Amino acid sequence: QKEVEQNSGPLSVPEGAIASLNCTYSDRGSQSFFWYRQYSGKSPELIMFIYSNGDKEDGRFTAQLNKASQYVSLLIRDSQPSDSATYLCAAIRRVQGAQKLVFGQGTRLTINP
Amino acid sequence: EAGVAQSPRYKIIEKRQSVAFWCNPISGHATLYWYQQILGQGPKLLIQFQNNGVVDDSQLPKDRFSAERLKGVDSTLKIQPAKLEDSAVYLCASSRLAGGGRETQYFGPGTRLLVL
Repeated sequence: QKEVEQNSGPLSVPEGAIASLNCTYSDRGSQSFFWYRQYSGKSPELIMFIYSNGDKEDGRFTAQLNKASQYVSLLIRDSQPSDSATYLCAAIRRVQGAQKLVFGQGTRLTINP
Repeated sequence: EAGVAQSPRYKIIEKRQSVAFWCNPISGHATLYWYQQILGQGPKLLIQFQNNGVVDDSQLPKDRFSAERLKGVDSTLKIQPAKLEDSAVYLCASSRLAGGGRETQYFGPGTRLLVL
């Protein structure tokens, strides 16, 4: 079982709709979760992080965390063509007192005009 | 604030050749990470330094990969000899600290390696 799993997609969403990206993790000890966006040929850039159960909103983005179900999601409201990218979910694991970021395989999102 | 710098941006070599990548982290960042990202996959941590000490190198293929971070700033990652399956993007990232569990990692532009 992979530590962090995502649907690889591609996920296709019409412009203006809500895009929903999902992620599950296997290590119950993971405490912190990150969503990175990666445009083709570019490096990952941080969109949001979430540590507590519930929702966290930042502009058009909402991250949701359910530790009991070991589930993290990212909602993108009013999707724009510029949101087309691969979205990487990552979980922090403690290794010898330091953090180790474990990534999922990414979900490719396409927003259709 | 300048971001994470990496060079070269692209490298093409033949199998069994050697290659080295360089990374300069964000000023003041104590922790430096090297990741390997194969096409269609998420980044995989190869090695993590805190200052000039290795924190985690459990996924580094030590028979062919080596890395160092002299003086706790710049770092180099070397592959010797390269194999076809080493074709990937090598990403360097840095963060201020490593112990808090909530430190954001900032990624450099990556080095795209093609092994023929």
